[in-house]
Amino acid sequence: GAVVSQHPSRVICKSGTSVKIECRSLDFQATTMFWYCQFPKKSLMLMATSNEGSKATYEQGVEKDKFLINHASLTLSTLTVTSAHPEDSSFYICSARGVDPGEQYFGPGTRLTVT
Amino acid sequence: AQSVTQPDIHITVSEGASLELRCNYSYGATPYLFWYVQSPGQGLQLLLKYFSGDTLVQGIKGFEAEFKRSQSSFNLRKPSVHWSDAAEYFCAVRSGGYNKLIFGAGTRLAVHP
Repeated sequence: GAVVSQHPSRVICKSGTSVKIECRSLDFQATTMFWYCQFPKKSLMLMATSNEGSKATYEQGVEKDKFLINHASLTLSTLTVTSAHPEDSSFYICSARGVDPGEQYFGPGTRLTVT
Repeated sequence: AQSVTQPDIHITVSEGASLELRCNYSYGATPYLFWYVQSPGQGLQLLLKYFSGDTLVQGIKGFEAEFKRSQSSFNLRKPSVHWSDAAEYFCAVRSGGYNKLIFGAGTRLAVHP
C-alpha cells in the first residue's frame, strides 16, 4: 500500500517556540492531506483538511493562526505549531488521499511535548 | 450529522478466544465504513473497509467485519485472537468518497495469555 511518512517522530520544544512537522506521501500524489491530533487515550480529532495549492480548511475550534498548514506540493504538507504551549502537547497524525477517494493513508504520527 | 459509536472502551480476551468489537454509525445513506488498528505510539493501519457489495468484508490479519444496514452496525470480528492483536481499534465512517473521516472513540483490546 501507499506510504506516508512524518518527520520528526518525536519533538520536545520549549513553551513559546514554534515547531514544524512534515508529512510526505512517498509513492503517490496526495491531492488532499488531513491533520489530526490525538490526546492520550482519546480518539483522533480532525484539525484541518488541505488540498494542494489551496488554503487549509480548519475544523471548528481549531485556531488557524496557531496551527499553520502548508500544502505546497502533491507530496508534502507541513503543520507548524506556533508559540507552542504545554496544552499543545499531543500526538499529531497526518493522513493523505490521492486521486482514489476511497483510500486514505496515515502517517506514523509525531509526538510533540512542550515543556 | 454523522457519528460513530464504539460502546466498549476496553475489552479483555484470552489468547485464542474469539473477538467481536462493536461499531454503530449514524448516517442517512450508505456510508463508507472502515476499521483501523493503532499500536501504542504508532499511526493507524487500515484493517478493512466497506463501500458497497458483499456485506461481509475480509481484512488483514484474519479480521472480518459485517455491515448490517438494519442495525446501523459494522462490527469487527476475529475467530481466534493472538497476543499481538492487543492494540486500540477505531471504527470510522465517511459520508462520501471525498468527505472527511469521522472516528469513533476507540476500543482498547487487551489479550491475556
